Amino acid sequence: QLQLQESGPGLVKPSETLSLTCTVSGGSMNRSGYYWAWIRQSAGEGLEWIGSIYYSGSTYYNPSLKSRVTISIDASKSQFSLKLTSVTAADTAVYYCAREGGHYYVDWWGQGTLVNVSS
Amino acid sequence: QSALTQPASVSGSPGQSITISCTGTSSDIGGYNYVSWSQHQPGKAPKLLIFDVNERPSGVSNRFSGSKSGNTASLTISGLQSEDEADYYCCSYARGSTWAFGGGTKLTVL
Repeated sequence: QLQLQESGPGLVKPSETLSLTCTVSGGSMNRSGYYWAWIRQSAGEGLEWIGSIYYSGSTYYNPSLKSRVTISIDASKSQFSLKLTSVTAADTAVYYCAREGGHYYVDWWGQGTLVNVSS
Repeated sequence: QSALTQPASVSGSPGQSITISCTGTSSDIGGYNYVSWSQHQPGKAPKLLIFDVNERPSGVSNRFSGSKSGNTASLTISGLQSEDEADYYCCSYARGSTWAFGGGTKLTVL
């Protein structure tokens, strides 16, 4: 059974960079043919797709966040990562890593990790 | 504000059927057959219920079904059970290579 686990700081200061890593177990990322995604959920808000990366490194991002987002992958370590620059309080959210099962849907989710942006 | 509109809450009694709607535009739901639904329960990883409008992943109960008409997608849960109590989210591909999510619907089993 595939498992995804987010890790990273739970507190980030405004204007700094949020960095999270997702470790995948129970399946290989190498040549897996899947995209791997980051999705977030702010308190009281709905879900927001941040971006996705293919095992080869090809990416596509939410246009509203594209200028601040970088997603990278190290399939040999079964990990992919998120960097979000110049954060503000509006970036406070639960961040999920996930696997895209096919056409723009998630078939496996991590448990999520809360990141607070505060001084 | 979410791109797709869902009712904030729905409720039903055990054994009944309920339907959750998800309304978008011709730029997302209406333009593509890429609608999915997920179930979110506290303390658990979210679970995929429906993909590609009406396809069920292996292992998901056939009590869950999806459909679409125009710019509105729907999730129907039949034979409601107490364990179905959760938040449900719709998601659609949207023009411009992006994803749109609904604001979520809280299901209460009475």
